[in-house]
Amino acid sequence: GQSLEQPSEVTAVEGAIVQINCTYQTSGFYGLSWYQQHDGGAPTFLSYNALDGLEETGRFSSFLSRSDSYGYLLLQELQMKDSASYFCAVRANFNKFYFGSGTKLNVKP
Amino acid sequence: DAGITQSPRHKVTETGTPVTLRCHQTENHRYMYWYRQDPGHGLRLIHYSYGVKDTDKGEVSDGYSVSRSKTEDFLLTLESATSSQTSVYFCAISLPGTRGQETQYFGPGTRLLVL
Repeated sequence: GQSLEQPSEVTAVEGAIVQINCTYQTSGFYGLSWYQQHDGGAPTFLSYNALDGLEETGRFSSFLSRSDSYGYLLLQELQMKDSASYFCAVRANFNKFYFGSGTKLNVKP
Repeated sequence: DAGITQSPRHKVTETGTPVTLRCHQTENHRYMYWYRQDPGHGLRLIHYSYGVKDTDKGEVSDGYSVSRSKTEDFLLTLESATSSQTSVYFCAISLPGTRGQETQYFGPGTRLLVL
């Protein structure tokens, strides 16, 4: 089966850097993605890693190590609007996606 | 927003009644998905479709069926709703991108309450 582990909650202050880790167990791995979801809203795509290494998109970066079945999302220059839940998701078995339980990020002033 | 709509957006029903949720997309995307989201569980895949009349089960498919008779519509049916199916249901499509990327775009969600 598929399983993903990520911390349930993280707190950081405005302007800081925070890292959200994700470890996974899966068969037929294709890639790891990250989604953001604000309360009451739908998940929105942040980044996708198919290969090992770092992908950078503005203030957000995502890293993947396929050999370690591990990835992380790095958020820099935190803003209050970054307070949300963040989900890692594995793309496996061609085009099925499996999500972690989510990490609630609280950004404090 | 990838042109995804869901209907209804909210529904209250009684245990034992059938319920159908509709996902509609306007851009001929091949892959469509149904997820449910519950506190502490994130998003869990119910069923997905890789083309008209082509569907496959996800991790929590028991009690649910799907149909896709045309590209733009993906229907999720609860044959006999139970209280454990109270949840928020999201439809999604998947789009390929550069360097092997696959991006999922989600509809606004349907809040279902089964009494």
